[in-house]
Amino acid sequence: EPEVTQTPSHQVTQMGQEVILRCVPISNHLYFYWYRQILGQKVEFLVSFYNNEISEKSEIFDDRFSVERPDGSNFTLKIRSTKLEDSAMYFCASSFYNEQFFGPGTRLTVL
Amino acid sequence: TQLLEQSPQFLSIQEGENLTVYCNSSSVFSSLQWYRQEPGEGPVLLVTVVTGGEVKKLKRLTFQFGDARKDSSLHITAAQPGDTGLYLCAGLTTDSWGKFQFGAGTQVVVTP
Repeated sequence: EPEVTQTPSHQVTQMGQEVILRCVPISNHLYFYWYRQILGQKVEFLVSFYNNEISEKSEIFDDRFSVERPDGSNFTLKIRSTKLEDSAMYFCASSFYNEQFFGPGTRLTVL
Repeated sequence: TQLLEQSPQFLSIQEGENLTVYCNSSSVFSSLQWYRQEPGEGPVLLVTVVTGGEVKKLKRLTFQFGDARKDSSLHITAAQPGDTGLYLCAGLTTDSWGKFQFGAGTQVVVTP
């Protein structure tokens, strides 16, 4: 059964560094998303991506964040100048239309 | 302000009991999804409902979409410890196809 995959499963970085979180969405899906979930809190929408451009983004997705689909299969989230408060689980998701499937997540720890 | 309000926030029941989780909004949704999330893992899609009044059953789980497509419920019959988890509802509003709105979740604990 097709699934969304994410790498790495856990990323530790120093404050101020840049991180890239990687995702491989389900192959025939058209919409791609990034979410974050701070421990014990709700799932928060970051950004959606369709037809090679951002379709919507939240206020969390500030100018330190960027997304890219560099090769038609991978979907990446880059965070520049990381802050302590960026520590969270980051989930990638993809959908064909209205059924969204999530990856297992990347736990980002900023020290 | 949450677009999707889930209630209750927490539910603890004994094995064999029934439970219902609610997801309510003042907005109309073109579709609504229910997910279950285990600690440290991604949400797993359980069901999608798209038609007002629709009822879907998945073994002991029954999902209902309100007639006006503003609310939904999840009913679990004869709950088992394996049903323990965080239940999330999420939906696409009719004016925002690119952004799924999530509820805060209902933590369900089923004890043997």
